[in-house]
Amino acid sequence: QVQLEQSGAEVKKSGASVKVSCKASGNTFAGYYIHWVRQAPGQGPEWMGWINPKSGGTKYAQKFQGWVAMTRDTSISTVYMELSRLRSDDTAVYYCARPHSGSGGEAFDIWGQGTLVTVSS
Amino acid sequence: QSVLTQPPSASGTPGQRVPISCSGSSSNIGSNTVNWYQQLPGTAPKLLIYSINQRPSGVPDRFSGSKSGTSASLAISGLQSEDEAEYYCAAWDDSLNGPVFGTGTKVTVL
Repeated sequence: QVQLEQSGAEVKKSGASVKVSCKASGNTFAGYYIHWVRQAPGQGPEWMGWINPKSGGTKYAQKFQGWVAMTRDTSISTVYMELSRLRSDDTAVYYCARPHSGSGGEAFDIWGQGTLVTVSS
Repeated sequence: QSVLTQPPSASGTPGQRVPISCSGSSSNIGSNTVNWYQQLPGTAPKLLIYSINQRPSGVPDRFSGSKSGTSASLAISGLQSEDEAEYYCAAWDDSLNGPVFGTGTKVTVL
């Protein structure tokens, strides 16, 4: 059973950067894209983009282009999401997620436990 | 932020059928499949329905989905106390070139 394990909660100042990790267990790390989704308090989820763990290729939602970077380290089956120039409205729980094999690639059935990022001024 | 519109709340007594609507546009629900998630407080969303009406392994058949035009619906039949949660619809959006999510519906079991 594949699991995604994320790094712990972070508290950052406005203008700083945060890097969240997501480690995949099991032997299918390179077989599925990993997506990042964030959820601000009391709001619905928001898709940020994906990374192809095999090639390192990425696609970011237009809103995040220029200030998010998704990378991977295949030697430890881990992907990273770094968000720069943090603002208070970036306070949210950040999730990594993997698509369901039977869907078109946009339905996520495996999620990390979430990483709370709090941005203070 | 949320592109798909859902009613903020829905409720029912145990055993009842509860429908939840999700309204979108031609760039998302109108031209792509719909997925539904259940989220309990403090936990990650759980995939409930994908590709409009397919259930992942382990999801009870009390949950069913449908789509018509630019709207979709999730139905919970035989409502149970453990169904009390937040429910989100989602669909691929051709303009965003990524998935968009709904505003969420809080289901309460009376």
